[in-house]
Amino acid sequence: DSVLTQSPATLSLSPGETATLSCRASSSSYLAWYQQKPGQAPRLLIYDASNRATGVPDRFSGSGSGTDFTLTISRLEPEDFAVYYCQQYAYSRYSFGQGTKLEIK
Amino acid sequence: QVQLQESGPGLVKPSGTLSLTCGVSGGSVTSNTWWSWVRQSPGKGPEWIGEVSQSGTTNYNPSLKGRVTISVDQSKNQFSLRLTFVTAADTATYFCARNFQPDAFDLWGRGTLVTVSS
Repeated sequence: DSVLTQSPATLSLSPGETATLSCRASSSSYLAWYQQKPGQAPRLLIYDASNRATGVPDRFSGSGSGTDFTLTISRLEPEDFAVYYCQQYAYSRYSFGQGTKLEIK
Repeated sequence: QVQLQESGPGLVKPSGTLSLTCGVSGGSVTSNTWWSWVRQSPGKGPEWIGEVSQSGTTNYNPSLKGRVTISVDQSKNQFSLRLTFVTAADTATYFCARNFQPDAFDLWGRGTLVTVSS
C-alpha cells in the first residue's frame, strides 16, 4: 500500500516567514498538495509536484521528484495557517498523508 | 462555475446503509472526467473511497471494496455513494470531488457529516 509520511506534524511560524513542509512517499508517482482550513474541504494547491492550481498565489511552490517532495510557502500570510496534506495515486488507490499543521507562533 | 453539493442522511444506524448523492451544478457530470468520493474522520487525513466515470465505470479503494457502490445518473446530473454494513468507524465527513489530471482533485463539495449510531 502507498504510504505518505509528512513532516513535521506541526510547524510554528510567524507571518512573513517561510514554511517548508516535507512529504516522503513509498512509491514514485504524481504528487499533489492541498490546504485545509477548519470546517472546509481541502483545496488543491499543487499538482504533479510543482504545478500551481488555478488561482493559487505564487508564494506557494512545490518541488521534488521520486519519493521526496517539498511544499514551500514564502512570506506567510495570516490566511496560510491551516493543515496541509500531500496526496498521490499508487497501488490502485489515491492516498493522503496525515497532514502538517501550520500554526501561528 | 461548476459546484458540487452533497446530500443525504446525517445519521445511519450500525449495520445499515449509508447513501449520499452529489449534485453537479454549473456543469455536466458527462464532462470528460471522473468523479470521486472522499471521507475524513475527525483529526485524520482524507481517505479516498472510490471514483466513477461519466459512463459508469468504477474503481474503489481496496480497503472498502465489497461494501461500496458508486454510480452516476446523467439524467439528474449527479453521482451517488452507497456504503453497506456501516459501523462507528464509518463516521466521517463525506466529500464529493472532481478528478483532475494527473491524479489529483481540483473541485470539492462542502462535505456532509455522517454519524453512525443507534
